[in-house]
Amino acid sequence: EVQLVQSGAEVKKPGESLKISCKGSGYTFTSYWIGWVRQMPGKGLEWMGIIYPGDSDTRYSPSFQGQVTISADKSITTAYLQWSSLKASDTAMYYCARLPPDYWNYVAYWGQGTLVTVSS
Amino acid sequence: DIVMTQSPDSLAVSLGERATINCKSSQSVLYSSKNKNSLVWYQQKPGQPPKLLIYWASTRESGVPDRFSGSGSGTDFTLTISSLQAEDVAVYYCQQYYDTPPTFGQGTKVEIK
Repeated sequence: EVQLVQSGAEVKKPGESLKISCKGSGYTFTSYWIGWVRQMPGKGLEWMGIIYPGDSDTRYSPSFQGQVTISADKSITTAYLQWSSLKASDTAMYYCARLPPDYWNYVAYWGQGTLVTVSS
Repeated sequence: DIVMTQSPDSLAVSLGERATINCKSSQSVLYSSKNKNSLVWYQQKPGQPPKLLIYWASTRESGVPDRFSGSGSGTDFTLTISSLQAEDVAVYYCQQYYDTPPTFGQGTKVEIK
């Protein structure tokens, strides 16, 4: 069974850094693209970017390029999303997302979500 | 970016009745080499992550009840719930994967009348 288990909720101050995680299991981690989707409070879904853990090839949506960093550690089958300097507008639920085979850009499996709250 | 527009924003349907959600893309999402449309539908229940219902516009994901069906081609697509059940109360999203970045519709909230 494919599972994506995300790290817990975070409360941070503006300007702080943060790295959240997503551990994949039940499949060959290095063979599927995995990425992140943002959902701001009461809003819709936004595709942030994806990474192929097999070779660390990373693709960002233009809106998120330079704003976040996506990475993966295949030795522990975990993907990451990190910020170097959080803003209040980063407050959102962040979902880890595994794509289907063959690099079709939709989400076959979702993590449970990590709520990030940025407030002074 | 391809803009995805859903209609209506919300709808209330009686139990057992049909619910129809529309999704329009700003350009065709027909993947010509496969002759398939690069469109999915997700269901998001309150407090839960989204769940994949349909891909390639009309292929039901394994385990999804057959009261859910997808149709359409090119730029106009429809998700139909043939007989609404209480557990179908949710927000439904379409998403295109024809072009990068992938883009979502704004969502349609389905409630019980």
